[in-house]
Amino acid sequence: SQTIHQWPATLVQPVGSPLSLECTVEGTSNPNLYWYRQAAGRGLQLLFYSVGIGQISSEVPQNLSASRPQDRQFILSSKKLLLSDSGFYLCAWSGAPSSSYEQYFGPGTRLTVT
Amino acid sequence: AQSVTQPDIHITVSEGASLELRCNYSYGATPYLFWYVQSPGQGLQLLLKYFSGDTLVQGIKGFEAEFKRSQSSFNLRKPSVHWSDAAEYFCAVGARNQGGKLIFGQGTELSVKP
Repeated sequence: SQTIHQWPATLVQPVGSPLSLECTVEGTSNPNLYWYRQAAGRGLQLLFYSVGIGQISSEVPQNLSASRPQDRQFILSSKKLLLSDSGFYLCAWSGAPSSSYEQYFGPGTRLTVT
Repeated sequence: AQSVTQPDIHITVSEGASLELRCNYSYGATPYLFWYVQSPGQGLQLLLKYFSGDTLVQGIKGFEAEFKRSQSSFNLRKPSVHWSDAAEYFCAVGARNQGGKLIFGQGTELSVKP
């Protein structure tokens, strides 16, 4: 069966510090991968998605970036965090679009920028 | 452009009562439709999905949803709510030509009274 992991689970970082959040998927190959941010009391905002290694699409201009160095690894980064980057970050995967569209989510990372 | 509207931000029901959460979407063709549930501090769990065929779909935890094309709706129902159903519920829509991306509604928070 497929599983998705995210770490760290929680993170407190000062403004201006770098960020690296990691997401890995097991039990599947060539998944589509997604990064979402969920601000308090709000819905999900798609940040990035990837259909393959090195292929990243950005949905929202911001100071975050994403990379996919391996088939089942997706990394969210920032060189300098802003207060507005605080939130709950969720990674998700789905199968190839021709097979299904449902996305499966990881447990999330709670980021607090102080 | 696709959009999803969940008109109710917060709903409170008594334990054992029936539940209906509303979801309206905007899309030019038949979309893929999903309902997810999120407990506090956790990731999203897929409850059910509609791709095609029977417009009444059954999901996990006793939930069902009905796709009504004429009303552009995909409402979630449960005949008898349990205290453990208290959570945030998200409706999402996907398009066949959007590379697997989903658009999420803003969510409905469900509280259950004993």
